[in-house]
Amino acid sequence: NAGVTQTPKFQVLKTGQSMTLQCAQDMNHEYMSWYRQDPGMGLRLIHYSVGAGITDQGEVPNGYNVSRSTTEDFPLRLLSAAPSQTSVYFCASSSWYGYTFGSGTRLTVV
Amino acid sequence: TQLLEQSPQFLSIQEGENLTVYCNSSSVFSSLQWYRQEPGEGPVLLVTVVTGGEVKKLKRLTFQFGDARKDSSLHITAAQPGDTGLYLCAGIIIQGAQKLVFGQGTRLTINP
Repeated sequence: NAGVTQTPKFQVLKTGQSMTLQCAQDMNHEYMSWYRQDPGMGLRLIHYSVGAGITDQGEVPNGYNVSRSTTEDFPLRLLSAAPSQTSVYFCASSSWYGYTFGSGTRLTVV
Repeated sequence: TQLLEQSPQFLSIQEGENLTVYCNSSSVFSSLQWYRQEPGEGPVLLVTVVTGGEVKKLKRLTFQFGDARKDSSLHITAAQPGDTGLYLCAGIIIQGAQKLVFGQGTRLTINP
C-alpha cells in the first residue's frame, strides 16, 4: 500500500547515544515533515523539507538534524539523545489534498 | 503558547448523545484540517475546510470553518462507541513555506 513508512517502531536509547529515525514515502510528494507528539501538546513540528536538498526548522528543532537527498527519504537524526527527547515521532508527507502520516516511532531515552 | 487552542481536551459521553469540539486561534489560517488518531497509529485526515464559513459533513460528523478563518468546530450527532479516539485540529499557515500546526487534541470516549 502506498504511504509513509517509519522505522523503527520502538527504540530505547541511553542518554548521549545517537540514532537515526527513518522515513520513506512512495507518493512522490515534495513536502515532508517530522513531528513529535507529547501528552497534552498535540503534534509539534521539528523540521520540514519542501523538496530534495531543501530543509528548514520548525517549532522545536533543537537536538535534531535532517537531510533530504532524495524525494522519497527524509531521515531524522538525534546526535546526542536526552531524556527530554522521549516522545512519539511522526513523519508526514503532503500534497495539496492533505497530509499522510506514518505510524510513528516511540522513542524512550533513559 | 499553543497557536491553536482545542477544547475540551477530554470528553466522555454516553452513546447517542451529541457533542461539539472547538478549535480556536487568534491567527488566520489558509485552511483547517481535522484528523483522527487511533492508539499506536499516526493521524488520519478526516476533512479539510478552506473557505470562511464553509461547512462539510461526513456522515454524522459536521465540520465548520469560522467566517474569519481563525476557528473551527467538529460536531458529532448521535455518538457511537466507534467514534472513540483522539481528534486533532490543525491549521495550515504560509510563512514562506507551508506549515501545519496542531491543537492539543480532544480525547473522546463514547460509552455504550
